Amino acid sequence: EADIYQTPRYLVIGTGKKITLECSQTMGHDKMYWYQQDPGMELHLIHYSYGVNSTEKGDLSSESTVSRIRTEHFPLTLESARPSHTSQYLCASSAPSLNTEAFFGQGTRLTVV
Amino acid sequence: AQSVTQLDSQVPVFEEAPVELRCNYSSSVSVYLFWYVQYPNQGLQLLLKYLSGSTLVKGINGFEAEFNKSQTSFHLRKPSVHISDTAEYFCAVTNSGNTPLVFGKGTRLSVIA
Repeated sequence: EADIYQTPRYLVIGTGKKITLECSQTMGHDKMYWYQQDPGMELHLIHYSYGVNSTEKGDLSSESTVSRIRTEHFPLTLESARPSHTSQYLCASSAPSLNTEAFFGQGTRLTVV
Repeated sequence: AQSVTQLDSQVPVFEEAPVELRCNYSSSVSVYLFWYVQYPNQGLQLLLKYLSGSTLVKGINGFEAEFNKSQTSFHLRKPSVHISDTAEYFCAVTNSGNTPLVFGKGTRLSVIA
């Protein structure tokens, strides 16, 4: 069973607040990802990292930022939350091999009111 | 750029009937293909993957998929569905270990008693 954890699972927060979504994995994976999932299911890659001190933006433009100071930890931060940020955020990781699958956390459902 | 098309957004099917969820990808190079399942309020769980070799891939929960290079398809099948198979199903593709997975928009499978 994959060991990748996201906290919190659910978050309701007011507009303008700063928030950090946590993601940690205990598998030693170099690669980590953040996906944003629409209410209609579609997943969009917003950030990814292939190792410590390496981060890249994904296909979907996002106002969030990420950091990768430790291999196991890949937090996502919104400096000023807005209702348009309401979504489900999924974190994933994968091993360095060329053809391994991504393992997903259970997600954080964010609601900005 | 990679893309994945899941032709059906919703598939209703009666319990114990067979089901096929369709997936087509666009790529001119070697691909690695995946099917994931997402239960309500959960992350994504790997069902099966095609990396190379036999074009018929068997996964968990009785699912299987067939890689068809000439038709650029990777359809998911199950001969007899159960109520517990009700979930969202995502097809994903990558053409190298250094490219994040690209997901389709998902298919909602509803199994009717």
